[in-house]
This record gives sequence, C-alpha cells and structure tokens, in this order.
Amino acid sequence: GAVVSQHPSRVICKSGTSVKIECRSLDFQATTMFWYRQFPKKSLMLMATSNEGSKATYEQGVEKDKFLINHASLTLSTLTVTSAHPEDSSFYICSAREGTSANNEQFFGPGTRLTVL
Amino acid sequence: GDSVTQMEGPVTLSEEAFLTINCTYTATGYPSLFWYVQYPGEGLQLLLKATKADDKGSNKGFEATYRKETTSFHLEKGSVQVSDSAVYFCALSDLGGGAQKLVFGQGTRLTINP
Repeated sequence: GAVVSQHPSRVICKSGTSVKIECRSLDFQATTMFWYRQFPKKSLMLMATSNEGSKATYEQGVEKDKFLINHASLTLSTLTVTSAHPEDSSFYICSAREGTSANNEQFFGPGTRLTVL
Repeated sequence: GDSVTQMEGPVTLSEEAFLTINCTYTATGYPSLFWYVQYPGEGLQLLLKATKADDKGSNKGFEATYRKETTSFHLEKGSVQVSDSAVYFCALSDLGGGAQKLVFGQGTRLTINP
C-alpha cells in the first residue's frame, strides 16, 4: 500500500524556537496533504489542507502565522511551528491523498511528537 | 458541526473473545463512515468503510454496518487475536466542498491478551 513518512518522529525544543516537520509520500504523488493535531486521549483535529503549489486552507481557530505549511512538491509537505510554546506540545500527524478526487483514500504518516520545554 | 463519539477505552479482552467497539455520529448531510486502525509506531490505516445507509464494511474479520436510523457504525469481530491490539478510530467524511474532511472519534485502545 501507499506509504507516508514523517520526520522527525520525536522532537524536543526550547520555548521560542521554531520546529519544522516533514511529511513525504514515498511511492505516490500527493496532490493533497492534510495536517492533524492529536491531544492525549483526544481525537485527531484537522489543522489544515494543502494542495501542491497552492496556499494551505486552515481550519477555524488554527493560526496560519503560527503553523506554516508548505507543499512545494508532489511528495513533500512541511509544517513549521513558529516560536513554539509549551501549549504547542502535541502529536502532529500528516496524511496524503493522490489525485484531486475527494473519494481517494488518505494515507497517514506515523506522526511526530513535539515537546516544547 | 459534525462529530463522532466512540466508546471510551482502554478495552482489554482475551484471545478469541467477541469484540464490539461502539461508534455514533452526528452529521448534517450523508457522510461516509470509516474505521481506521493504528498499530504501535505506525500511521493510521483504513480498516473498512461504508458510504451509504445499510452498507456493511468488512476487512480482516472486522465488520461494521452503517445504521442511519441509529446514527451508528459499531465495529465488531467474532474472535480477536493478539495481533489485533491497536488503537481504533471511527471517522466520518463529509464531502462538503469536495475536500473530504475527516472527523475522528477519540480512539479506543484495544489490548488482546493471549
């Protein structure tokens, strides 16, 4: 099946620094990528949807200047948490979908655990 | 807005036991319904899905039936194995605008003991 990787799997950073998380589709071209955030014992919350070459569409309540998303190629999207603070500590998960049809399956990465000290 | 509610875990069963994980949803339209499974250290994987009322999704011995009248999509398996230990997420997809946004339940951790 299709494989999506994330890097790093874990990151610890100091408050005020920025952290970049990469999401790659390894064996297919991801026209659309999604970024989710998961709090402990909570469901995945969609943060934003990005189409290759376009600006990301952010969900209500998600700060676009805080969570910068770049989807410059069909196999790579990045999420940069700018000026991270402890409340940004969370599990971030990306998914990728081939093509533009909403009926196409999303394939998920294994997630990145961010801890901000 | 749309929402999904799953039974709280963790759920611990013995091998060969019958499994039910309850899932109910709230949606304004006619969503597609999904069960995803996340094994330790891996990403979520689609387990099964149903796209309209009375559809039954099935895979790897798991089944779930789309019940519009009770707005439910309960996951069942007749005889679980140790390898079924994972976190299970119920989700719905509302195509509104064609974006296929997935709305997830909070996940249910399942542990199967030999």
